[in-house]
Amino acid sequence: GAVVSQHPSWVICKSGTSVKIECRSLDFQATTMFWYRQFPKQSLMLMATSNEGSKATYEQGVEKDKFLINHASLTLSTLTVTSAHPEDSSFYICSARDRGLPSYEQYFGPGTRLTVT
Amino acid sequence: AQKVTQAQTEISVVEKEDVTLDCVYETRDTTYYLFWYKQPPSGELVFLIRRNSFDEQNEISGRYSWNFQKSTSSFNFTITASQVVDSAVYFCALSDPTWGSGTYKYIFGTGTRLKVLA
Repeated sequence: GAVVSQHPSWVICKSGTSVKIECRSLDFQATTMFWYRQFPKQSLMLMATSNEGSKATYEQGVEKDKFLINHASLTLSTLTVTSAHPEDSSFYICSARDRGLPSYEQYFGPGTRLTVT
Repeated sequence: AQKVTQAQTEISVVEKEDVTLDCVYETRDTTYYLFWYKQPPSGELVFLIRRNSFDEQNEISGRYSWNFQKSTSSFNFTITASQVVDSAVYFCALSDPTWGSGTYKYIFGTGTRLKVLA
């Protein structure tokens, strides 16, 4: 149980284009999902927290107009990187919290590697 | 503010050696959770252990063991008789009800890259 998937697993896009990353909870309902970014050889940094049906809460320094997050259902959250630039190239990881479990539990997706050329 | 410090950036050991990865944390909350994750080259985080702040019992799982000491705010991880397959980046993380909001956010340490040489 408690499987989180991400799609795509990797993506290459051209500078200036937008790319959407999906995060799905496969066998549970996720009231809250989190998006992290990890640059090479660095730690995971929380970008934003999204609650189903409401606006995402962004961490300080994260541009909400550039990283659009939509949590339209209890099993799906999407992160759209708009007008991507090479500096947005990173590993993006989502996690989800099961509504039926304690709030400190998070299950992580396998990550999406984004390369902007 | 919450903080997790993993002072060891990279450790290299020879197979079968024991190795300890250090983790020191800071939090204002009395209720919090500590985690260790393994991140192999594929990138996917592998959950290893969770401890809550009220349980200071050390834990052993096979070759893995964890030492939680609230007095020193440390949660160290030891691998006994290391193997090449243990080579990965290991992250320590802290989760607490941030600023009383009730939302448990994870704060990750900077990770320790472990290289186990054959």
